[in-house]
Amino acid sequence: RKEVEQDPGPFNVPEGATVAFNCTYSNSASQSFFWYRQDCRKEPKLLMSVYSSGNEDGRFTAQLNRASQYISLLIRDSKLSDSATYLCVVNIPNDYKLSFGAGTTVTVRA
Amino acid sequence: ETGVTQSPTHLIKTRGQQVTLRCSSQSGHNTVSWYQQALGQGPQFIFQYYREEENGRGNFPPRFSGLQFPNYSSELNVNALELDDSALYLCASSSNAGSYEQYFGPGTRLTVT
Repeated sequence: RKEVEQDPGPFNVPEGATVAFNCTYSNSASQSFFWYRQDCRKEPKLLMSVYSSGNEDGRFTAQLNRASQYISLLIRDSKLSDSATYLCVVNIPNDYKLSFGAGTTVTVRA
Repeated sequence: ETGVTQSPTHLIKTRGQQVTLRCSSQSGHNTVSWYQQALGQGPQFIFQYYREEENGRGNFPPRFSGLQFPNYSSELNVNALELDDSALYLCASSSNAGSYEQYFGPGTRLTVT
């Protein structure tokens, strides 16, 4: 089983729509969770950390469900500039390694 | 911008050759991690360097090796290149080995023919 699994999408949504997607992780001892954004042929950039209580950053909301071992990202009022691949990232316990999912592609259309 | 730089930006090598990729970490960061990202995949952890020592390694063969220098810049060396080594190689710096907040450089795109 992969350490981090994501629905690859693509999610094609109109501007202004809400889009949400999840990722699942295999190691129940993982403690740190992140969403990174990666534009085509560019480096990943940290979008937000995911906290146990859930957290919001503007139009972006991240949730963590430890019992089911998934994290989610919701984007409200989608903008064209939100078009990107979103990478789910989880730490590997007792290791300084981060494990990345393969990414979920979101395309926002006018 | 993150302040993490990598060189070169693109590179074409032939199977069997050796390659060295370079990374300068963000000011104040003493930890560098290297990742390989194949097309359509997420970055895969190669190894991490902290204060000039290897501090963790992913599932990559020994022909992938690295160095970190006193100024915390780093090199990734790959010997006996194979076609499957074609990928984007990313380095990420962090403030210390225990920090998971990593800042990526723009990457080096390696093509092996």
